[in-house]
Amino acid sequence: DADVTQTPRNRITKTGKRIMLECSQTKGHDRMYWYRQDPGLGLRLIYYSFDVKDINKGEISDGYSVSRQAQAKFSLSLESAIPNQTALYFCATSDSRNLDEKLFFGSGTQLSVL
Amino acid sequence: GNSVTQMEGPVTLSEEAFLTINCTYTATGYPSLFWYVQYPGEGLQLLLKATKADDKGSNKGFEATYRKETTSFHLEKGSVQVSDSAVYFCAPPESGAGSYQLTFGKGTKLSVIP
Repeated sequence: DADVTQTPRNRITKTGKRIMLECSQTKGHDRMYWYRQDPGLGLRLIYYSFDVKDINKGEISDGYSVSRQAQAKFSLSLESAIPNQTALYFCATSDSRNLDEKLFFGSGTQLSVL
Repeated sequence: GNSVTQMEGPVTLSEEAFLTINCTYTATGYPSLFWYVQYPGEGLQLLLKATKADDKGSNKGFEATYRKETTSFHLEKGSVQVSDSAVYFCAPPESGAGSYQLTFGKGTKLSVIP
């Protein structure tokens, strides 16, 4: 089983719909992240959470919200989806006890907003 | 904050050719540096890292040397294989007030042809 699991793997939705992308991890890490990947733009950070009560905006948080329901779960919501939110979304985790803080990624969720 | 400039792709090489992907960064202090790799249809995974100046990271035949004087961390491989076809991301961490997140380069897509 994957250590960082994202659901769904693919999602097609319509403009204006609210959708939620979910991420769960079995690594016991305290830190979790949401990124989006767009062709030619690399990965950009949307939100990150250093523990259950610590949520922070990343570079491109507008139009998104998150919830850290438990240490192992971090969900990303699009309140009213728009076409330019079509992208590949990645959840990642890291362990603050590791000095080098490398990230562990899920397999991604491909979201298409029509 | 920290930033990274990565060589733009795509890069197409024949099998057994020499590979260099350039990466330069600006950072406060001398943080650890990372290269991540994303194989088709997958999330990113750590390829190699270097934790201090003049340190060399290596893995799967890839190498990168942390050069403080040129603020560079170029990725090299002496003989690429078709299985190396992937997108490569350079990433220095961002540090501030004891918190860490990663800023990624835009990624370099490598295609290796037989």
